[in-house]
Amino acid sequence: AQTVTQSQPEMSVQEAETVTLSCTYDTSESDYYLFWYKQPPSRQMILVIRQEAYKQQNATENRFSVNFQKAAKSFSLKISDSQLGDAAMYFCAYRSYTGNQFYFGTGTSLTVIP
Amino acid sequence: DVKVTQSSRYLVKRTGEKVFLECVQDMDHENMFWYRQDPGLGLRLIYFSYDVKMKEKGDIPEGYSVSREKKERFSLILESASTNQTSMYLCATGEGGKKSNEQYFGPGTRLTVT
Repeated sequence: AQTVTQSQPEMSVQEAETVTLSCTYDTSESDYYLFWYKQPPSRQMILVIRQEAYKQQNATENRFSVNFQKAAKSFSLKISDSQLGDAAMYFCAYRSYTGNQFYFGTGTSLTVIP
Repeated sequence: DVKVTQSSRYLVKRTGEKVFLECVQDMDHENMFWYRQDPGLGLRLIYFSYDVKMKEKGDIPEGYSVSREKKERFSLILESASTNQTSMYLCATGEGGKKSNEQYFGPGTRLTVT
């Protein structure tokens, strides 16, 4: 089974600053998808951003962007201009091109300091 | 918008009771998943289903069973609840096949077994 590692259990950032959350994964496949999910306190998990492994260009969604390093099997999430509403647990996830199963990391709890 | 609902947000059961957690989706997705979420362990897959009456074991199926009699409904069953099954349970759905589509999550059920 694929493994997804998030080495930062907790992170904090000042409001309006930039923070980067780390994620590494282990796979022998060449085609796959990577995701970042956000789970606000007591609220539903939602997708933040996704990346197809065959695309060299890093995905961006407004203030959220990724740094996808395929050779290094690294997929970090950068949050720019952090807002109080960004405070949440963030999960990195992997899905193979042909499979149905998602593999999740252990999560990073992000605190935004006013 | 995809809507994934779970039968209860909070549930308290006694050891040895049979527990049913139900998940309903309205988007005609082929795949449905049950995860448990524990601090420091992230999301771990219990079971998933890729079609009606079809199921596959995930990473931690022991002590659980599932049922999918209709495409929109996926039930998780704890035959005899134990205290180590106290956890947050998340249901998710997604399209099958070679698609980069995300998983959509329900609000979760926090189960306490006393």
